Amino acid sequence: DSGVTQTPKHLITATGQRVTLRCSPRSGDLSVYWYQQSLDQGLQFLIQYYNGEERAKGNILERFSAQQFPDLHSELNLSSLELGDSALYFCASSTGTGESRRSSYNEQFFGPGTRLTVL
Amino acid sequence: GQSLEQPSEVTAVEGAIVQINCTYQTSGFYGLSWYQQHDGGAPTFLSYNALDGLEETGRFSSFLSRSDSYGYLLLQELQMKDSASYFCAVRGRGGSARQLTFGSGTQLTVLP
Repeated sequence: DSGVTQTPKHLITATGQRVTLRCSPRSGDLSVYWYQQSLDQGLQFLIQYYNGEERAKGNILERFSAQQFPDLHSELNLSSLELGDSALYFCASSTGTGESRRSSYNEQFFGPGTRLTVL
Repeated sequence: GQSLEQPSEVTAVEGAIVQINCTYQTSGFYGLSWYQQHDGGAPTFLSYNALDGLEETGRFSSFLSRSDSYGYLLLQELQMKDSASYFCAVRGRGGSARQLTFGSGTQLTVLP
């Protein structure tokens, strides 16, 4: 158990709908990262928040948005869903920003993921 | 931008040593990380190299050479449970380059 929690575990919805994925980081971790992993694909970095502020952005679609709240939990909002958005969505957390030479500040702890199916 | 290349598949037998290579193209990065992912599971952190050289953690070692734009993960005394996908990743430096990029992953199969 990494200490990172994600809800829900599974989500089935229809095209055009909007969903919200939730993530609670490990106690004490200030960074939250979101990733998308399609079937048999690698991890695609979406976005990172550090202590409530956006820290880094990957190839996140405009239909997707995220935020980190004062209690450090994070939500990923996916709207106008398309079939191609079906994937496993992972959240991860780390102590630091990920921009350090210290391994312990960069190590990311991943949650169990949310499997999204768009029909 | 950043890109990383890894072999798609590697096969080895139990007890053997295997090396998974990662070559990268990036304008600058903080360090090279390695993650393990079993089928259907979440990735787990294995190692991080900020500086050139070898980092050892038990049966796993990781190496980085910035001058060669190259790194590798070395797995010794392979066990069946090591069958998994292995990803290398870099964190770019500065501004819009500050994103994380993962390689496409290497599927390791350990045979009895």
